[in-house]
Amino acid sequence: EPEVTQTPSHQVTQMGQEVILRCVPISNHLYFYWYRQILGQKVEFLVSFYNNEISEKSEIFDDQFSVERPDGSNFTLKIRSTKLEDSAMYFCASSEEDIRQGQPQHFGDGTRLSIL
Amino acid sequence: SQKIEQNSEALNIQEGKTATLTCNYTNYSPAYLQWYRQDPGRGPVFLLLIRENEKEKRKERLKVTFDTTLKQSLFHITASQPADSATYLCALCPTGGGNKLTFGTGTQLKVEL
Repeated sequence: EPEVTQTPSHQVTQMGQEVILRCVPISNHLYFYWYRQILGQKVEFLVSFYNNEISEKSEIFDDQFSVERPDGSNFTLKIRSTKLEDSAMYFCASSEEDIRQGQPQHFGDGTRLSIL
Repeated sequence: SQKIEQNSEALNIQEGKTATLTCNYTNYSPAYLQWYRQDPGRGPVFLLLIRENEKEKRKERLKVTFDTTLKQSLFHITASQPADSATYLCALCPTGGGNKLTFGTGTQLKVEL
């Protein structure tokens, strides 16, 4: 069964450094998402992306964050200047159609980001 | 304010029994509600979706109900097995709420032999 893959599985970065988290969504999916989960807390929405532009973003997704689909397969999340509070598990997800139509999301297994 | 609440206490049941997990929401009008399973260190895995005009949905040993009057969904696992042990998340996409899911905190289920 096709799956969403994320790399790296664990990223350790010094505070203030830039980090790029990478995702390969399911190939025929058109909608892409990033969520994060701080240890012991709930999964929180960051951003949704369709047709090469952001369709929705949360308050967490400030100017330090950006997303890109640099080619036909990858979907990246960049954090420009990391803070301690950015430490979390970051999940990429994709869906075949707009989830407002009742579509499930398919999640990767996440990148654990640790900021020192 | 908008809330999605799941029982934060772990649910421990014996193998073979039916597990029932609750998801309550306030100040939402969801078009549908989804249930996901999350294992430690893994991403959520989609299980079932139920729409606002559906009362009940089944898939193998899983059953979901949706009561828009009570603003509640119940998730049942019948004939539970130790392999069902995981955290179960409810998530909803509110009507007119944008292309995103809002998750509850999840309930940890432990099925004991």
